[in-house]
Amino acid sequence: DIVMTQSPATLSVSPGERVTLSCRASQSINSDLAWYQQKPGQAPRLLIYDASTRATGIPARFSGGGSGTEFTLTISSLQSEDFAVYYCQQHNNWPGTFGQGTRVEIK
Amino acid sequence: QVQLVQPAAEVKKPGASVRLSCKSSGYMFTSNYIHWLRQAPGQGPEWMGMINPSVGSTNYGQRFRGRVTMTRDTSTSTVFMEVSSLGSEDTAVYYCARAEPTPRFPFFAFWGQGTLVIVSS
Repeated sequence: DIVMTQSPATLSVSPGERVTLSCRASQSINSDLAWYQQKPGQAPRLLIYDASTRATGIPARFSGGGSGTEFTLTISSLQSEDFAVYYCQQHNNWPGTFGQGTRVEIK
Repeated sequence: QVQLVQPAAEVKKPGASVRLSCKSSGYMFTSNYIHWLRQAPGQGPEWMGMINPSVGSTNYGQRFRGRVTMTRDTSTSTVFMEVSSLGSEDTAVYYCARAEPTPRFPFFAFWGQGTLVIVSS
């Protein structure tokens, strides 16, 4: 199975700041990468798929980039509702696999 | 609107089985595969398997084969997953999720709210 590694494990940021999360795949997955946001007690919420396509209803402050093995999720100006855990998932090879998550917390 | 409804929680003893349900509404039940994933505390989601609601065919993750069975009831638009021989390591939130048609592994835009399964003596 493809191993997805996210960094850092935790980010402490202030509202309004720009933040970039990283995700690395153990082998090339082309652009078949999704990003999810998860808040306590809730299911993951799809933000980005195909590395850079925003899902329906996702604000433009969320953007994704990368291809091959290196990917990023950028939040241009962090809002209070964006403090959460973020997961990447490769949707190239079976089975799809998720990273261990990056927690974005209030500084 | 698309909805996947799951019960909130189940408590089971070690060695027992649990049967989880996921009721779909807001779309044609037979048009999209349903996948099951689980999430242990502090971990990322883990894929367990999938079912094609149209014909009932299944595909299970290697580590769950022999211990997981997925079925569906088209009359109620519900899919089920039974997990047997439960151990404490199976304590997790179990999610169903709807897949969009794709030749590759899917991403998931629609999720159930999850069922917390607690395995404890």
